[in-house]
Amino acid sequence: NAGVTQTPKFQVLKTGQSMTLQCAQDMNHNSMYWYRQDPGMGLRLIYYSASEGTTDKGEVPNGYNVSRLNKREFSLRLESAAPSQTSVYFCASRARAPDTEAFFGQGTRLTVV
Amino acid sequence: GNSVTQMEGPVTLSEEAFLTINCTYTATGYPSLFWYVQYPGEGLQLLLKATKADDKGSNKGFEATYRKETTSFHLEKGSVQVSDSAVYFCALSESGGFKTIFGAGTRLFVKA
Repeated sequence: NAGVTQTPKFQVLKTGQSMTLQCAQDMNHNSMYWYRQDPGMGLRLIYYSASEGTTDKGEVPNGYNVSRLNKREFSLRLESAAPSQTSVYFCASRARAPDTEAFFGQGTRLTVV
Repeated sequence: GNSVTQMEGPVTLSEEAFLTINCTYTATGYPSLFWYVQYPGEGLQLLLKATKADDKGSNKGFEATYRKETTSFHLEKGSVQVSDSAVYFCALSESGGFKTIFGAGTRLFVKA
């Protein structure tokens, strides 16, 4: 079972470069999420998509854009990377009901130099 | 807004010791509450959950009870093992909403 698949697993960018993190889920979930994980900060929500065709800002959206390409795929784009965006990024998906668990990808470790 | 506060770590215990990791929350309505675990180099995975007041979630010897009167969801295990070493996250899902909100995480080290 693939679950949630993120690519790439590791990336090093120079300041000002752009990149897109890809995420796909095969569980037919309506909702998808992008989080960043920083030491001492836990997981902070960047953007989420409650259903296909909708996206909303989370706690820390500045410097990011997202696209819900279809029900399976939800991508995160950094248009002009900054060192403050060095982090581990996780994609997650969940069924619509709030009492259901979120399923996470393996994470993308991004370093911006 | 809704939030989750959990005890800071790291927590270091000897094998077979009793574990408590405190978690309190602020939320409107009736959120669902979760504990997730993250092993090194991996994503988060669900450990247990409770969806209404007084529910007890349990899994792999871990337990947590949804206490609405104290807005708490403390994680406990009677006898920890070295393999329990990981980061533990308390989380809530908003009732009627789509967001899952996480605490800062508590790192647990268990010594043999």
